[in-house]
Amino acid sequence: GNSVTQMEGPVTLSEEAFLTINCTYTATGYPSLFWYVQYPGEGLQLLLKATKADDKGSNKGFEATYRKETTSFHLEKGSVQVSDSAVYFCALFNQAGTALIFGKGTTLSVSS
Amino acid sequence: SAVISQKPSRDICQRGTSLTIQCQVDSQVTMMFWYRQQPGQSLTLIATANQGSEATYESGFVIDKFPISRPNLTFSTLTVSNMSPEDSSIYLCSAGDRGYEQYFGPGTRLTVT
Repeated sequence: GNSVTQMEGPVTLSEEAFLTINCTYTATGYPSLFWYVQYPGEGLQLLLKATKADDKGSNKGFEATYRKETTSFHLEKGSVQVSDSAVYFCALFNQAGTALIFGKGTTLSVSS
Repeated sequence: SAVISQKPSRDICQRGTSLTIQCQVDSQVTMMFWYRQQPGQSLTLIATANQGSEATYESGFVIDKFPISRPNLTFSTLTVSNMSPEDSSIYLCSAGDRGYEQYFGPGTRLTVT
C-alpha cells in the first residue's frame, strides 16, 4: 500500500537559516501530496499541497515540489523564524484515495 | 476550507469509564475521519465515519471499543469505551471531500487515570 517516509528529527536551527525536511513516498499511481504543520498544543493545519508531478506547493514561505522521478516531496524554506517551531508531517492518500497516511513527523525548533 | 470544532478539548477520565467526543463541521462534507495521536507520535487512522451507515475501521480498531456515529454530513461522534491508561492520546477529527485535502479539528486531549 501507499506509504511515506520522513526524515527523523528533531531539527534545530537558528533564525534565518535554510530548512529542508525530506519526505519520500511509495504509492500506486500519483496521489496528491501534502505537508501539514502542528503548532504546540494545536491540531493539524494544511501547510501546502501538490496534486500532480512537477507541481510546486507553496505557503508562508515554505515550498515543496512533487518529484515523480525521485518519489520525493521535500519541504524547504529559505529563512526560518522562531514562529516556525512546530511538528511537520508529510502525507498522502491511501490507495482508496480517501484517508490520509502520515509520516512520523519532524520536530523543528528555531532559536533566535 | 472547512472549519472543524471538537468537544471537549480535553478531559481526565477514570479507567473503565467511557467518553464521547463530538466533531462539528461548518459545511457539508462527504468524508469524516477519526485519528489517534499518541504522545510524541504520528497520526493513526481509527476509522472512516460513514453517514447513515456503520463506520469503517482500520486494522487494530474495533467498533466495541470505538463506536462512531455520523447522523448527517456535518457531525460525528467517537466514543472511547471502557478506557484504560493506554487510551491516553489526542483524538483528532478530520473532514473533507474525496480526493481533496482534509481539514482537522483542534483535537481532544484525553488522559485516563
